[in-house]
Amino acid sequence: DGGITQSPKYLFRKEGQNVTLSCEQNLNHDAMYWYRQDPGQGLRLIYYSQIVNDFQKGDIAEGYSVSREKKESFPLTVTSAQKNPTAFYLCASSIAGTDTQYFGPGTRLTVL
Amino acid sequence: KNEVEQSPQNLTAQEGEFITINCSYSVGISALHWLQQHPGGGIVSLFMLSSGKKKHGRLIATINIQEKHSSLHITASHPRDSAVYICAVRDGGSQGNLIFGKGTKLSVKP
Repeated sequence: DGGITQSPKYLFRKEGQNVTLSCEQNLNHDAMYWYRQDPGQGLRLIYYSQIVNDFQKGDIAEGYSVSREKKESFPLTVTSAQKNPTAFYLCASSIAGTDTQYFGPGTRLTVL
Repeated sequence: KNEVEQSPQNLTAQEGEFITINCSYSVGISALHWLQQHPGGGIVSLFMLSSGKKKHGRLIATINIQEKHSSLHITASHPRDSAVYICAVRDGGSQGNLIFGKGTKLSVKP
């Protein structure tokens, strides 16, 4: 089954701790994206990567970091510098140069 | 500033009703997407439009480039259509980044 997976579905962390969210795809897509969704707001782009070992900041990259060491994996680290990390995080992937993005099921992060 | 505006924000309908969700945008675009987000959070892509009209089953999407407006129609609505419908545009000046609307929450009652 081809698809994009995120784990875990729910994640709880104490304030001040870094946390890494997993995103894996077996669609052989070159491009991968991380979005944040807050209640009453549209999805906002955190980081994106169009090829292995390369990534660019999106609109709200502060307090986040990513890596793209493998084509199929694009983990997102929420650092203690992110002032308001509690949110729903969505990962997506696409064929390079095309518009349609395929989304993972999301991870709901709650920082206590 | 909101570059993508959706209306209404919330919509409740009776099963069988014809539903229209609207999307207006202020930027030049190369494509517009309609997405469906299920209550569990997963998002699926419904349509990608750059002109005209597309139909898939009971769903119809239209776009008017001159008026910078798109509509998503659902015919013979069903409770399983209950979801958040999101409009997103690809900024014509950006490298594939999508700008998302806030979504329209649809609830279809049996």
